[in-house]
Amino acid sequence: GEDVEQSLFLSVREGDSSVINCTYTDSSSTYLYWYKQEPGAGLQLLTYIFSNMDMKQDQRLTVLLNKKDKHLSLRIADTQTGDSAIYFCAESMAGGFKTIFGAGTRLFVKA
Amino acid sequence: DAEITQSPRHKITETGRQVTLACHQTWNHNNMFWYRQDLGHGLRLIHYSYGVHDTNKGEVSDGYSVSRSNTEDLPLTLESAASSQTSVYFCASSESKGDYGYTFGSGTRLTVV
Repeated sequence: GEDVEQSLFLSVREGDSSVINCTYTDSSSTYLYWYKQEPGAGLQLLTYIFSNMDMKQDQRLTVLLNKKDKHLSLRIADTQTGDSAIYFCAESMAGGFKTIFGAGTRLFVKA
Repeated sequence: DAEITQSPRHKITETGRQVTLACHQTWNHNNMFWYRQDLGHGLRLIHYSYGVHDTNKGEVSDGYSVSRSNTEDLPLTLESAASSQTSVYFCASSESKGDYGYTFGSGTRLTVV
């Protein structure tokens, strides 16, 4: 069945790059997303990538997709304390439709 | 500005009571979803709707129900609240077309005692 897996914790120093990894099982997934959740808030869409793309860059964020290995990563350059949050990887067969989420990776940024 | 609102933000209820959590969106989105968030499990899909009068079960639908009588609202009802339903509940909405993902509400923290 569909499953999305992520490591639960990541700790980095301010100014370093953060890399959050995710693996998914459904090869028919068309859209892959990264969401950010700050304490006490709902999830906020950070970025997404289509399954026919290998990479997408958006300011400090770089998404890499290895479709063969079903591996997705999110790189945050120059990580700031404001980036401390939970980051969720998610997959969907069609944009806007039913989406399966990973358990989330809690990013700690040390000053 | 368009928004998606959930109410109440916090609720404490007793085991066996019926509870309804509200979700209202003004994005005019066709798709609406209810998830619960629990430590170690991430977000799990409870129910979803792709339009008025359409409802579908998610992976953890037992003990929950929804109805969709208009575009804006998808209330979630716990028919007989159980302690296992203590959780944070998120409502989300999305367009049928496009790749914008979901817009989430701020969540309802439900405690069943």
